[in-house]
Amino acid sequence: GAVVSQHPSRVICKSGTSVKIECRSLDFQATTMFWYRQFPKQSLMLMATSNEGSKATYEQGVEKDKFLINHASLTLSTLTVTSAHPEDSSFYICSAAQGLATYGYTFGSGTRLTVV
Amino acid sequence: GQQVMQIPQYQHVQEGEDFTTYCNSSTTLSNIQWYKQRPGGHPVFLIQLVKSGEVKKQKRLTFQFGEAKKNSSLHITATQTTDVGTYFCAGVSSNTGKLIFGQGTTLQVKP
Repeated sequence: GAVVSQHPSRVICKSGTSVKIECRSLDFQATTMFWYRQFPKQSLMLMATSNEGSKATYEQGVEKDKFLINHASLTLSTLTVTSAHPEDSSFYICSAAQGLATYGYTFGSGTRLTVV
Repeated sequence: GQQVMQIPQYQHVQEGEDFTTYCNSSTTLSNIQWYKQRPGGHPVFLIQLVKSGEVKKQKRLTFQFGEAKKNSSLHITATQTTDVGTYFCAGVSSNTGKLIFGQGTTLQVKP
């Protein structure tokens, strides 16, 4: 089945620093990947759609300059949280789709970001 | 914008009791998907419904898609402790193709 690998699983960083999160489709090519953010005991909020070879599409209210998305290849999308602040602490999850009817959207294992 | 509403937010049941969560969209969906997320984990795909009025079963789980393709439900018969987790519906907008998640229903099962 489709597998999406996300790294790191946990990261603690200081305020003002930047953090890069990687999302890889391991056994399929993904022209589109999605980045979600989830606060404790809440639902997943779509942040942006990552498109291979072109600019990401951001949801309303998501700062493009703060959450930089790069989708340089068909198997890799990265999310960089720039100048992180404590309010950016959250669970970030990526997803990609291969064979929607069978697998739906496959999610990475998520990244727990804590900004101190 | 498009909204997907899901109720209830929490449900506590005794093991063996049934459980149902409901999902409603403000717009027509091209399809609806259901996911399960265990505490500390990531969402895991359960099923996708595409056709109006579609009903699918997975063992003790029954999924329904409304005739208007704007609502859906997940019913679990005779819950077990392994059913514990948060169940999300996620609708794919006919207009945008984006996957929008409902708020989720967290199920607790007392043994």
